Amino acid sequence: EPEVTQTPSHQVTQMGQEVILRCVPISNHLYFYWYRQILGQKVEFLVSFYNNEISEKSEIFDDQFSVERPDGSNFTLKIRSTKLEDSAMYFCASRLGRANEQFFGPGTRLTVL
Amino acid sequence: DAKTTQPNSMESNEEEPVHLPCNHSTISGTDYIHWYRQLPSQGPEYVIHGLTSNVNNRMASLAIAEDRKSSTLILHRATLRDAAVYYCILGTQTGANNLFFGTGTRLTVIP
Repeated sequence: EPEVTQTPSHQVTQMGQEVILRCVPISNHLYFYWYRQILGQKVEFLVSFYNNEISEKSEIFDDQFSVERPDGSNFTLKIRSTKLEDSAMYFCASRLGRANEQFFGPGTRLTVL
Repeated sequence: DAKTTQPNSMESNEEEPVHLPCNHSTISGTDYIHWYRQLPSQGPEYVIHGLTSNVNNRMASLAIAEDRKSSTLILHRATLRDAAVYYCILGTQTGANNLFFGTGTRLTVIP
């Protein structure tokens, strides 16, 4: 069964460093998402991406964040200058169409020291 | 975002049915009712969704009240693997249809 994959599973970085989290969505899906979950808290929407552009973004998704689909298969989330409060699980998701369910990846745990 | 209310936690014995309630009194006519779950240390996983009629799939059933102000996710026979946080989420099927998670119901399955 097709699945969303994410790499790395765990990323440790120093405050102020740039990180890139990578996702490979399911191959024929058209909508892509990033969510995050701070330890012990709820899953929060960050950004949605469709037709090679951002569809919607939350207040969390400020200028420090960017997304890209560089090659038609990968979907990346970049954090330019990480802060301690960026420490969280980051989940990528994809969807075939508007009426379909979202499929989530296993997540990347980001630890900012 | 339309709001849902769920109990913080519920318990069930293994192999018994589980009814997980959700209140959504401010639901709009175009809102679908989605259920996702999150098993420990995993990403969320789709369970089921519906608009007005009750729905069944291989994982669960969804019973929707006639006025659509509440719904119930039914697991017909709980297994240990069903222990998870269950989220009831409202959303239209326009735009990107982002998911806005609440705190959900933590289901504990007792062997």
